[in-house]
Amino acid sequence: AQKVTQAQTEISVVEKEDVTLDCVYETRDTTYYLFWYKQPPSGELVFLIRRNSFDEQNEISGRYSWNFQKSTSSFNFTITASQVVDSAVYFCALSEGQTGANNLFFGTGTRLTVIP
Amino acid sequence: DTAVSQTPKYLVTQMGNDKSIKCEQNLGHDTMYWYKQDSKKFLKIMFSYNNKELIINETVPNRFSPKSPDKAHLNLHINSLELGDSAVYFCASSQASFPSVDSYNEQFFGPGTRLTVL
Repeated sequence: AQKVTQAQTEISVVEKEDVTLDCVYETRDTTYYLFWYKQPPSGELVFLIRRNSFDEQNEISGRYSWNFQKSTSSFNFTITASQVVDSAVYFCALSEGQTGANNLFFGTGTRLTVIP
Repeated sequence: DTAVSQTPKYLVTQMGNDKSIKCEQNLGHDTMYWYKQDSKKFLKIMFSYNNKELIINETVPNRFSPKSPDKAHLNLHINSLELGDSAVYFCASSQASFPSVDSYNEQFFGPGTRLTVL
């Protein structure tokens, strides 16, 4: 079963619009970590945020904000006033438990295109 | 200084060949990983190594073999390359364990190696 689901395959918005990228996860562990990564056209993976399962506080960083809700197993990502440079593939990921191997389970990604 | 480096960045080869991708990290991390990103951008863990022990081996063909000559390196060897092996391969590293829920050790990713099998 897919541990991380990003139902939105592609999203297009016009510059300055707000956009929310959805992420739903599945795990039986009580300790886990959620992540968002950005992959711009250049191909590298850029870490954006990490959240542990015990911290449901929402976070804002500039134009980025994240909404973590354990009740719905969701960790959604909102970009406010989108810019062309935000165009990229965004991945949500999950790491379970406190083990020596913290392998990441990635969602299938959402391709965001910001149109000028 | 590059934290996690991979060589080569691009690799084009014929079907049936054997090739290797090298990964080095200068972060002093204990665990290293290989991920595969296919043409649909799907990223999947392949292996991780902790102190020279393979601790995760997802369902990848045994044509793929990770080799770790030391803690700073985890190379990926691929035998008898097939068309379906064409992908971007990412190396990553992190510390092996973390003492509390607040001290998760990040995975640092390399820039990726784009493998094309003709």
